[in-house]
Amino acid sequence: EIQLQESGPGLVKPSQSLSLTCSVTGYTITSGYDWSWIRKFPGNKMEWMGYISNSGSTNYNPSLKIRISITRDTSKNQFFLQLNSVTTEDTATYYCAREGYNFDYWGQGVMVTVSS
Amino acid sequence: DIQMTQSPASLSASLGETVTIECLASEDIYSNLAWYQQKPGKSPQLLIYDASSLQDGVPSRFSGSDSGTQYSLEINSLQSEDAATYFCQQHHDYPYTFGAGTKLELK
Repeated sequence: EIQLQESGPGLVKPSQSLSLTCSVTGYTITSGYDWSWIRKFPGNKMEWMGYISNSGSTNYNPSLKIRISITRDTSKNQFFLQLNSVTTEDTATYYCAREGYNFDYWGQGVMVTVSS
Repeated sequence: DIQMTQSPASLSASLGETVTIECLASEDIYSNLAWYQQKPGKSPQLLIYDASSLQDGVPSRFSGSDSGTQYSLEINSLQSEDAATYFCQQHHDYPYTFGAGTKLELK
């Protein structure tokens, strides 16, 4: 069974960086598909943030392009999100998901609050 | 970016009823649309992809259709477990975008 699990701090101070890990089991991230980060803001708005492909290329939402980085560690079957210079507007629940045009497997989500 | 206008924002229906949720795309997305169900505290679950294809394991009372840039999710014979938030997502062009969500309550 394919499972994704996010981990990382639930509280980040403004202007700092948000760093999250997605650990994947049941499927090797280099075998296929793209591996995305998606966030859901308070009030339900969802935003696709970007992905890292099975070959290691990346594609980011232009709204985040100067602040976001998605990387991976293939030896651990994990991929990572780094979002720089966060503000309170980045408070959201962050999900990792497997993408094959749509998102068929999701992690359970991690709530991140940006606050001093 | 492609805008997805979803309606209604919320609706209330009774067990056994049929409900329809709609998403209007700001441009042609060529049926590249998915529907998801999300229950409180859970991650979204893919219901429908390519506008009308049912994801494996999803009950057949869920169906999707499209007409031009208007996309619909129909839920027949509502069950108590269908209480959730539903949202659409276009996968025609990056950045992928989502509808604002529809909260379905059972009376």
